[in-house]
Amino acid sequence: GQSLEQPSEVTAVEGAIVQINCTYQTSGFYGLSWYQQHDGGAPTFLSYNGLDGLEETGRFSSFLSRSDSYGYLLLQELQMKDSASYFCAVGTMTTDSWGKLQFGAGTQVVVTP
Amino acid sequence: KAGVTQTPRYLIKTRGQQVTLSCSPISGHRSVSWYQQTPGQGLQFLFEYFSETQRNKGNFPGRFSGRQFSNSRSEMNVSTLELGDSALYLCASSWEGGVNQPQHFGDGTRLSIL
Repeated sequence: GQSLEQPSEVTAVEGAIVQINCTYQTSGFYGLSWYQQHDGGAPTFLSYNGLDGLEETGRFSSFLSRSDSYGYLLLQELQMKDSASYFCAVGTMTTDSWGKLQFGAGTQVVVTP
Repeated sequence: KAGVTQTPRYLIKTRGQQVTLSCSPISGHRSVSWYQQTPGQGLQFLFEYFSETQRNKGNFPGRFSGRQFSNSRSEMNVSTLELGDSALYLCASSWEGGVNQPQHFGDGTRLSIL
């Protein structure tokens, strides 16, 4: 079957580093995306990993290991504005399904002073 | 450039009624996807439209349907509303769909069923 797991909540202090893990089990895996959503707001795209390795975008980095069906989002130099929900999303492509995104349940990141 | 626009922002309905939600994608985007978001459930994929054709479908009952117009605007319809349909419905657009393209989300329509 298909599954996508990420922690429900992570708390850290300003300036710290947080890693949000995402493990998946799916057929037709194509890539892994990350989205951020503030309370009451729309999800916004953060990063995409189609190949194994690390992608860096400013304070945020994302990693993928296809062989381990695992990825993570790394948030460095945490700021109060980083308090939000973070979703990993598995992209799949099969012969009968073009480009589907399956989202995880989300990780609530709480940044404290 | 205007973002994804969803209307209405809030909607209150009663069980058994039907509802239509609207989504205007970013200009030039031809793929529109719909998601249902409930607390603790993340975003559940409903369907995706591309060039007026449904290209992908999630695991929702037939009460949930949609369509896309020639200008890429999309509508989603839910018939015979149930209490469990209370949720935030999000629309997202991208150039051509595909999982390697960023999805641009609207602010959503919050639907409450009484």
